[in-house]
Amino acid sequence: AQSVTQPDIHITVSEGASLELRCNYSYGATPYLFWYVQSPGQGLQLLLKYFSGDTLVQGIKGFEAEFKRSQSSFNLRKPSVHWSDAAEYFCAVGAGNMLTFGGGTRLMVKP
Amino acid sequence: SQTIHQWPATLVQPVGSPLSLECTVEGTSNPNLYWYRQAAGRGLQLLFYSVGIGQISSEVPQNLSASRPQDRQFILSSKKLLLSDSGFYLCAWSGQGGHTEAFFGQGTRLTVV
Repeated sequence: AQSVTQPDIHITVSEGASLELRCNYSYGATPYLFWYVQSPGQGLQLLLKYFSGDTLVQGIKGFEAEFKRSQSSFNLRKPSVHWSDAAEYFCAVGAGNMLTFGGGTRLMVKP
Repeated sequence: SQTIHQWPATLVQPVGSPLSLECTVEGTSNPNLYWYRQAAGRGLQLLFYSVGIGQISSEVPQNLSASRPQDRQFILSSKKLLLSDSGFYLCAWSGQGGHTEAFFGQGTRLTVV
């Protein structure tokens, strides 16, 4: 069965600083990978997805993620964080009809 | 375009009372449908998923059940709520095949008192 690990439960960065959120997955075949963002009390919004091809994928709101098969990772990055990026971020792996989510990383942004 | 509706947005229920949360999808047919629960400070736990009418798969044993009476309707139920059922419940849909992203409703905040 597939699994997803997000090692960082909380991350605090200063506004304008760069950001990297880590995601490691376990899956026996080629994974379909996703990053979602959740604002407090809201549903999840898709930031970006990887199915195949270029391992660096661009998403909405200036986010990007890089798929590294050798490291079983799909880390999310943003060069300059804005205060509005404060939220919870979830990495997910898709297999068959199942989406398995990591435990989430809560991002706080300092002014 | 496709939309997903989930209601109610918030719910406070006493222990032992029944539960019914409803989710409907518009603008697509034969979607995969999902119920997730998000407990405070924790990730998303898949409770149920459905690939078609009347087809329900349960991922965790619990006192909750799900039903899919129509193609685009997914209902989460309980006969008797427990305190531990409190949480944020999210409905989602995806296309068939598993390689498409899931789209989420706005969630229901359930507090069992």
